[in-house]
Amino acid sequence: KAGVTQTPRYLIKTRGQQVTLSCSPISGHRSVSWYQQTPGQGLQFLFEYFSETQRNKGNFPGRFSGRQFSNSRSEMNVSTLELGDSALYLCASSGTSGTEAFFGQGTRLTVV
Amino acid sequence: QKEVEQNSGPLSVPEGAIASLNCTYSDRGSQSFFWYRQYSGKSPELIMSIYSNGDKEDGRFTAQLNKASQYVSLLIRDSQPSDSATYLCAVMDSSYKLIFGSGTRLLVRP
Repeated sequence: KAGVTQTPRYLIKTRGQQVTLSCSPISGHRSVSWYQQTPGQGLQFLFEYFSETQRNKGNFPGRFSGRQFSNSRSEMNVSTLELGDSALYLCASSGTSGTEAFFGQGTRLTVV
Repeated sequence: QKEVEQNSGPLSVPEGAIASLNCTYSDRGSQSFFWYRQYSGKSPELIMSIYSNGDKEDGRFTAQLNKASQYVSLLIRDSQPSDSATYLCAVMDSSYKLIFGSGTRLLVRP
């Protein structure tokens, strides 16, 4: 059974640009959550999608957005990139509410 | 603000010893609790889940949950150098949001 797949693995972008990250969950999983991980802040929750609906949202500015498609694949978009957006972006998928979440390898974004 | 608290460490133990990692949480409505292991430069890996009070054992790992005290712990028996990593405690709140602690760095000395 394939795990959670995130693409791309690495990205370098310039301030002011926008970026789209992709996450394919484990087959059959309907919940996808996104996290930002930085050395200083740890794992910070961005948002969670379940059956194409955003069910939860963290405390991030509106520059961070996401969506989920009918096949449960999810994308995250960051517009007007800032240096502080440099981080490891992780997505996790789970089957039903309250069950175990499994992480992808992450996308390391560097903003220069 | 719902919180999950962990001692950042590092917790240093000799090879073969028991490592004890602790976590407290603030949301009394939480029902699901998880421990993840994260090696440097890698993504978190789920190692234990626990949903009811008491102990749950899986190989060398034992998770303990006390909802009255809002306390979760992870014991690693016969610690190995390969167990050296950061251990993240995660709590799913009543709205199904998974909240992570900042992690405890474990060092197992050969």
